[in-house]
Amino acid sequence: GESVGLHLPTLSVQEGDNSIINCAYSNSASDYFIWYKQESGKGPQFIIDIRSNMDKRQGQRVTVLLNKTVKHLSLQIAATQPGDSAVYFCAENLDDNFNKFYFGSGTKLNVKP
Amino acid sequence: DSGVTQTPKHLITATGQRVTLRCSPRSGDLSVYWYQQSLDQGLQFLIQYYNGEERAKGNILERFSAQQFPDLHSELNLSSLELGDSALYFCASSKQDSNNQPQHFGDGTRLSIL
Repeated sequence: GESVGLHLPTLSVQEGDNSIINCAYSNSASDYFIWYKQESGKGPQFIIDIRSNMDKRQGQRVTVLLNKTVKHLSLQIAATQPGDSAVYFCAENLDDNFNKFYFGSGTKLNVKP
Repeated sequence: DSGVTQTPKHLITATGQRVTLRCSPRSGDLSVYWYQQSLDQGLQFLIQYYNGEERAKGNILERFSAQQFPDLHSELNLSSLELGDSALYFCASSKQDSNNQPQHFGDGTRLSIL
C-alpha cells in the first residue's frame, strides 16, 4: 500500500553472500510489481519487474518471487557486492486504468566487505 | 543513467516563496509522474501527465501545480512554501499511460526551505 513512516529496516550481509529483501503489499488487486534500488543522492533505479500471472522472474544476479496468497514479494540478490549497498523499494501497481504505483517504505542493504 | 533529467539538483529558498522544478522525460516517453520523498513519508505520488494532459492525481497540495508542455517536458510549481515542503522531488517517465509500465526516475531536486 502507500508508504507510511520511514523507519528503514536494515539488512547487513557479507560480500559474496546471497541477500533476500522482503516486501508485503496491501492490495490483492495489484497486478504488477517493480523492485527499485536507490543509492544515496540518486533517484530510484529500476531493477526488475513481475506481473501477477507469474510467481518468479529472474534477471542478472536478481530473482523476484511473488506470493499472491499472502501478498508477499521478495528480491533475491546472488553473490552480493559492495555496489549493491542501497535502499531497495518494492512498488505495486493497482489493476486500474492508471499507471500509478504505491511504494513500500524500503529496506536498507548494507554489504560488508 | 535513466535518461530522465531534472533541474535544478538543489534549491534553497525561504518560506512563502515559489519555485519551479523542471523535468525532461526519457526520449520517446509520453507520460510524466511527480513524486515527493521526505524522511517521514517515503515516496509519495503527486501527479501524472500524459501527452500534455493531467491523468491522475495523488497526494498533491493545492499550493502545488504541474504542467506538461508540447515538447513533453514538465514543470512542478510549488508556492507559498512551508518548512514541511522540504523534501526530494522526483520525476519519472514511462512510454504510455496505460497500466503496468515501468517508470524510470530522474535523480531528483532537493528542496530546502529555510
